[in-house]
Amino acid sequence: SSELTQDPAVSVALGQTVRITCQGDNLRSYYASWYQQKPRQAPVVVIYGKNNRPSGIPDRFSGSGSGGTASLTITGAQAEDEADYYCVSRDSSGNQRVFGGGTKLTVL
Amino acid sequence: QVQLVESGGGVVQPGTSLRLSCVVSGFSFTSYGIHWVRQAPGAGLEWVAVTWYDGTYEYFADSVSGRFTMSRDPSSNTLFLQMNSLTVEDTAVYYCAREDISTGYRYFAYWGQGTLVTVSS
Repeated sequence: SSELTQDPAVSVALGQTVRITCQGDNLRSYYASWYQQKPRQAPVVVIYGKNNRPSGIPDRFSGSGSGGTASLTITGAQAEDEADYYCVSRDSSGNQRVFGGGTKLTVL
Repeated sequence: QVQLVESGGGVVQPGTSLRLSCVVSGFSFTSYGIHWVRQAPGAGLEWVAVTWYDGTYEYFADSVSGRFTMSRDPSSNTLFLQMNSLTVEDTAVYYCAREDISTGYRYFAYWGQGTLVTVSS
């Protein structure tokens, strides 16, 4: 199986823009999806595919990707965006899934 | 209303077995792939297994392959994760999640609330 690498922690000032990245060879073949997880809660999908937001997800969340890197961008971060963020994609076989290690986002 | 509800977690000793349940409602699991994902205390998410919508294929993470199996009971809308030869490394909250496919992209659209498995002597 392949690995996905994320920065363990990122911080952003309130109202500013932050980019969270996810790197892995399998991202050259498959798109990542992104999940927000707040303490003691189940994860929630915020971005999937090329740049798709499920209903109810604010449009300040966006996704992009190039080569072996996927990115989640929050434009105008809010206090409620403080959470752990995980990327996930298929592994090289296409049958399994692999999660990134997660990025803890702090909104200052 | 789509719901997934896990149960069956608890405290068990190393080397023993446990069976988790994932009861779904608001949809038929015969139409969707269902995944198991776990999260050890203070750690990140780890993919565990998937069963295809029709049960024809199942895939497991290397860390659980040969020890974990899955089954299903359509009459009760329940999927099961049978966990054998448990070790302390299996201690985690276990989530089941429905995988949706939209415009060709796959993602975990719905998650249960999780059930805690603690393996300890």
